[in-house]
Amino acid sequence: GQNIDQPTEMTATEGAIVQINCTYQTSGFNGLFWYQQHAGEAPTFLSYNVLDGLEEKGRFSSFLSRSKGYSYLLLKELQMKDSASYLCADYTGRRALTFGSGTRLQVQP
Amino acid sequence: DTEVTQTPKHLVMGMTNKKSLKCEQHMGHRAMYWYKQKAKKPPELMFVYSYEKLSINESVPSRFSPECPNSSLLNLHLHALQPEDSALYLCASSQPIERDTEAFFGQGTRLTVV
Repeated sequence: GQNIDQPTEMTATEGAIVQINCTYQTSGFNGLFWYQQHAGEAPTFLSYNVLDGLEEKGRFSSFLSRSKGYSYLLLKELQMKDSASYLCADYTGRRALTFGSGTRLQVQP
Repeated sequence: DTEVTQTPKHLVMGMTNKKSLKCEQHMGHRAMYWYKQKAKKPPELMFVYSYEKLSINESVPSRFSPECPNSSLLNLHLHALQPEDSALYLCASSQPIERDTEAFFGQGTRLTVV
């Protein structure tokens, strides 16, 4: 969890597609979580990947490559309400969910 | 019921005050957590309770004192805090921490120390 890297900020246009990348330390890896957090609110669970490949949930999809220590969150048909922070997290090396620095996504009209 | 309930939602306290934050869940989760979150930063782990026993303390100053009275409740007792302790305090719960499962978060307590 302490070696999770994400871009700090991203900007995208309403209706577009955006991909938020996350890299993590592979040693002891068990699975990767994505959370969404609107300003001043609690983080909410979006997805969990433990096997390689793409998991799709409506407009949101998450991808994992364990050999590369890489994941991404794909958001389609962006809406203004998707403006939020997106947090990559894992249990690696800890017995508690620990977060990367988070990516602040701004969706513009 | 997939809720984690935290009270109070907002708290302003002086540096000499003693206050407590409360957290409750009824999902049967046996792991409960306290996180601290500063503006524009991710949540930082403070404490973990597993089966009502403290399993992780992330070198948190003793002015923060956690307590887990039973499997549904988690408290955070605050005493002699500093202004830099002002933050959003988030409680979370999950299945036993032998299993990597999603954590459910409460809405947090917005703490201001004056």
